[in-house]
Amino acid sequence: NAGVMQNPRHLVRRRGQEARLRCSPMKGHSHVYWYRQLPEEGLKFMVYLQKENIIDESGMPKERFSAEFPKEGPSILRIQQVVRGDSAAYFCASSPLGGGPNEQFFGPGTRLTVL
Amino acid sequence: KQEVTQIPAALSVPEGENLVLNCSFTDSAIYNLQWFRQDPGKGLTSLLLIQSSQREQTSGRLNASLDKSSGRSTLYIAASQPGDSATYLCAVNGGSQGNLIFGKGTKLSVKP
Repeated sequence: NAGVMQNPRHLVRRRGQEARLRCSPMKGHSHVYWYRQLPEEGLKFMVYLQKENIIDESGMPKERFSAEFPKEGPSILRIQQVVRGDSAAYFCASSPLGGGPNEQFFGPGTRLTVL
Repeated sequence: KQEVTQIPAALSVPEGENLVLNCSFTDSAIYNLQWFRQDPGKGLTSLLLIQSSQREQTSGRLNASLDKSSGRSTLYIAASQPGDSATYLCAVNGGSQGNLIFGKGTKLSVKP
């Protein structure tokens, strides 16, 4: 059973470009969480999605960031018009059931560098 | 607002020592607490998950305890090895949506 997969593992973008980060949850998991780890900071929650629904986006920046988890295919975290401050590691986690006491399984992360 | 603190921020020990990493949280209303390991430039590996109704969990040389009322958890590593060198993260799950709140981690270095 493959774990959580994220791609690309490393992404370099110039200021103003768009970044698309993909996350494929573990088989049988329909709940996805995105976290961001800024340099020298702890991981911070960004958004929680189920298939075709955004459940909690309280950690998402108000502008330029969006996320989706379509019925088919991976979850996508999209950052428009990237700035240097977006440089970070972005982690995705999946869970078989959402909310409450369920364990989350993390992917290897995508490291975004904005030049 | 839940806050998670990990002490110490960094720790260096000689191989073979037993050691304790500390995690504290401000709101005792949690569902569970997870300890993770993160190697440089890598993802998170889940080490132990303690549900709120549990007092401790053990896996090999690792033992994690939870005292919900006092807002504390400890991760005990027995007979440390150089391969244990990594950053150890503590995270609490306290919201109905299940999102985790992380501490900043303890960076452990085990010297041969």
